[in-house]
Amino acid sequence: GNSVTQMEGPVTLSEEAFLTINCTYTATGYPSLFWYVQYPGEGLQLLLKATKADDKGSNKGFEATYRKETTSFHLEKGSVQVSDSAVYFCALSESDAGKSTFGDGTTLTVKP
Amino acid sequence: NAGVTQTPKFQVLKTGQSMTLQCAQDMNHEYMSWYRQDPGMGLRLIHYSVGAGITDQGEVPNGYNVSRSTTEDFPLRLLSAAPSQTSVYFCASRLLAGDPYEQYFGPGTRLTVT
Repeated sequence: GNSVTQMEGPVTLSEEAFLTINCTYTATGYPSLFWYVQYPGEGLQLLLKATKADDKGSNKGFEATYRKETTSFHLEKGSVQVSDSAVYFCALSESDAGKSTFGDGTTLTVKP
Repeated sequence: NAGVTQTPKFQVLKTGQSMTLQCAQDMNHEYMSWYRQDPGMGLRLIHYSVGAGITDQGEVPNGYNVSRSTTEDFPLRLLSAAPSQTSVYFCASRLLAGDPYEQYFGPGTRLTVT
C-alpha cells in the first residue's frame, strides 16, 4: 500500500531561519503530492501541490519539488516567520478509490 | 461557497451515549471522508464515500457508521461512545476525477467522551 513518512518533530526555529521538513513516500502508481498546513484550532488547508516528476509547488514562500528518483517531496522556506508556526502534513493522492495518504505531521514553532 | 462545514464544533458525551457529527459541502464533490486526529498519530481515515449511496471503511471504522443519501451530506454516527473516541474529527471532500485530487477540510469537531 501507499505510505508517507515525514520528518519527526517538533521543530523549533528562530525567525528568519531556513526551514526544511523532509517527506518521502511509497506509492504503487504515479501520485500527486501535497503539503497541507494546520494552524492552531483549525482544519487542514492546502499549502502547495505537485502533480508530476520535477514539478515544483510553491506558495507563501514555501517550495517543494517532486523528486521521483528519490521518492521525496521536501518542504523548504528560506526565511520563516512567527506566523508560520503550525503543523505541516505531507500527503499523496492517486485516482484509485479517491483515498489520500497522510504523513503524521510535523509541528513547527518559530520564535521571535 | 461555504466549502466544507461541520457541526458541532465542540461536544462532550458520556460513555455509552450516541450522537451524529454533521458534515456538508457545497462544491458538488463526489468524494467525502472522515478522519480522526490524535496527538502523535496524524490523520486516520474512518470512512469514506465516492458518491451518494456508496460508502466504505477506512483504517479505523469500528464504533462508527456513515451514510451518504445526498452528494452534499456525509454524517458520522457514534453508536455507543467510548473514551477512546475522544479526538478531533475532520470531514473532507474532493472531486473524484481530475488531477490533482486536493482535499478540502472542514474546521473540525472536538469530541470528549467521559
